Amino acid sequence: AQSVTQLGSHVSVSEGALVLLRCNYSSSVPPYLFWYVQYPNQGLQLLLKYTSAATLVKGINGFEAEFKKSETSFHLTKPSAHMSDAAEYFCAVTGGGNNRLAFGKGNQVVVIP
Amino acid sequence: DAGITQSPRYKITETGRQVTLMCHQTWSHSYMFWYRQDLGHGLRLIYYSAAADITDKGEVPDGYVVSRSKTENFPLTLESATRSQTSVYFCATSVTQGGGTEAFFGQGTRLTVV
Repeated sequence: AQSVTQLGSHVSVSEGALVLLRCNYSSSVPPYLFWYVQYPNQGLQLLLKYTSAATLVKGINGFEAEFKKSETSFHLTKPSAHMSDAAEYFCAVTGGGNNRLAFGKGNQVVVIP
Repeated sequence: DAGITQSPRYKITETGRQVTLMCHQTWSHSYMFWYRQDLGHGLRLIYYSAAADITDKGEVPDGYVVSRSKTENFPLTLESATRSQTSVYFCATSVTQGGGTEAFFGQGTRLTVV
C-alpha cells in the first residue's frame, strides 16, 4: 500500500519568501506522485505530477517539486510566495495499477504581507 | 459543461435519514472515487469503482453504499446518516495516459448531519 506524510498542518510564509512544503512517501512499487492545491470552497486542482520522466517537475503558478528516491521525498517549492498562494496543499501517491490516490493530511499555507 | 458535476453542493439532513450524493462525469473515465475531507485527516477514500458494476471499499466505507450501473454516474448513499458523517465529500475520476495517472475532482458536497 502507498502512503504519504506531510508534516506541519499550518505553514506561514512571508510574501516574497521561499515556500517549502515537505512530502515523504512510502510505496512498494514505483510511485506516481502529485501535489494538489485547494482554494476555499473549491475542489482540488493539480499543481504538478511526477511520472518517472524527470525528477524535477515544474507545475503551474511557479511551483516545482523534486523526486528524490534515496530520501523517498517529493517536496514542493516556490521561490517567492504571493498572496494568491494562500490555500491548502495536498501531496498524494498512487501506484500498483488500481489508480487509487492516497493523500497526506495537507498543509494550510498562510501568506503574511 | 465537461467535467465532474456533484449535486447537491450543500445538504443538511437529520440523523437517521437516508441521503444520496450524486456524481456525474462527462468523460468516460473508468475509475471513479468518493473521498471525504475532514480537518486533520486530509482526504480519505470511502469507495471506488474500476468500471461499471465494479466497486470496492476504501479506507472508511462503513455507513456508505455505492452503485455504478452506468460508467458516467457514481452515487454515494448514506443509509442512516450520523453526525460523524458531517463532512465535505469529493467525487473524482482518474485516467492513465502518457505514462502517468491523473485524477480530476468535482467541486464537493458539503453535508451537515444534525
